[in-house]
Amino acid sequence: GESVGLHLPTLSVQEGDNSIINCAYSNSASDYFIWYKQESGKGPQFIIDIRSNMDKRQGQRVTVLLNKTVKHLSLQIAATQPGDSAVYFCAETYSGNTPLVFGKGTRLSVIA
Amino acid sequence: SAVISQKPSRDICQRGTSLTIQCQVDSQVTMMFWYRQQPGQSLTLIATANQGSEATYESGFVIDKFPISRPNLTFSTLTVSNMSPEDSSIYLCSVADGNTEAFFGQGTRLTVV
Repeated sequence: GESVGLHLPTLSVQEGDNSIINCAYSNSASDYFIWYKQESGKGPQFIIDIRSNMDKRQGQRVTVLLNKTVKHLSLQIAATQPGDSAVYFCAETYSGNTPLVFGKGTRLSVIA
Repeated sequence: SAVISQKPSRDICQRGTSLTIQCQVDSQVTMMFWYRQQPGQSLTLIATANQGSEATYESGFVIDKFPISRPNLTFSTLTVSNMSPEDSSIYLCSVADGNTEAFFGQGTRLTVV
């Protein structure tokens, strides 16, 4: 089946810098996308979502960008903090009642 | 947001035995899903737990190995049957209400020895 993938499996950033995590999706029918953060020993935690009728959505220190033309999703974290260190997953779905398809994940390491 | 409780949080089991994982939600939800996360990997959907009917399994997962129950809109169980070391993973319950984000439990870390 179609799947969601990521460009970078690991990312190291200096504390205070901005982080950008990328994701490519292959299902053009997907209309809802979510970024999750997973810390060690915990389940995935919702960060931010975006629907296909938008190309940008901002939260607190996070921004998600959606480019439907090239089927690309990114998560930007401003002023990265040590507490942001985790594995980040993008996920996609469509129609709202189908399960999420997850990307491979990117491990973000913040260097103090 | 929904609060999801999974039990047990972790277990070490002998090969050949079975383990039943419980997922309890603090509110009624339409959709419940079970995922597997193998060490260092992403989440893979096992099945959709349907209330009042048989679960819908993804390719590579079968009911005999992963029987699922969903007796009501707030509770589901996943059984990992006849376990082998390859079943060592984190098993995660997820809920969604359609057109909203999916919430996850803390997961059950299973080690089969």
